[in-house]
Amino acid sequence: EIVLTQSPGTLSLSPGDRATLSCRASQRISSNFLAWFQHKPGQAPRLLIFRASSRPTGIPDRFSGSGSGTDFTLAISRLEPEDFAVYYCQQYGNSPWTFGQGTKLEIK
Amino acid sequence: QVQVFQSGAEVKKPGASVKVSCKASGYTFNNFYFQWVRKAPGQGLEWVGIISPGGGTTFYAEKLKGRVSMTSDSSTSTVYMELSTLRSDDTAVYYCARLNIDMVGDVWGQGTTITVSS
Repeated sequence: EIVLTQSPGTLSLSPGDRATLSCRASQRISSNFLAWFQHKPGQAPRLLIFRASSRPTGIPDRFSGSGSGTDFTLAISRLEPEDFAVYYCQQYGNSPWTFGQGTKLEIK
Repeated sequence: QVQVFQSGAEVKKPGASVKVSCKASGYTFNNFYFQWVRKAPGQGLEWVGIISPGGGTTFYAEKLKGRVSMTSDSSTSTVYMELSTLRSDDTAVYYCARLNIDMVGDVWGQGTTITVSS
């Protein structure tokens, strides 16, 4: 199975800062089928990015995804207070699908 | 409006089974797969498996094979996940999600808390 390693484990930033989150795969992800989710306590995960860089309708353009093969990045250009949460990457190109362990984005 | 709605919280004893439902509305049920994901306390998201809308195709996480079963009832636009021989480490919030045409979860249920305790 593909192991996804996210870094850093915790990221401490202030509103208005730029955040850069990394997701590295143990092997190439087929068709760049890599998604990013935001997860807050008591809520369902929210899809932010799919196919590495595509944004669903309704997701603000301050969220952007990039990368291919085994290295992927989620960038949040100007942090808003509601962006502080845990972020997960998920690969859905190879069975079994897998998640990274998560990056906690906390207020500095 | 596309929605998925899950059944309520359950408390089970070790060794028992639990069946969680996920009812979809607002779109053509037969056009989209579903996935199940769980989150245990203090842990990250864990992929459980996927099911086709007709129920003929399923893929399960290796660690749960033999204990997990997913089924579908297209007449009620509902998918089910049953987990048997429950253990304390199955305690988690279980989520279902509709998979879009790219096969990624775009609409999620509210989650169902399953607690396994003697």
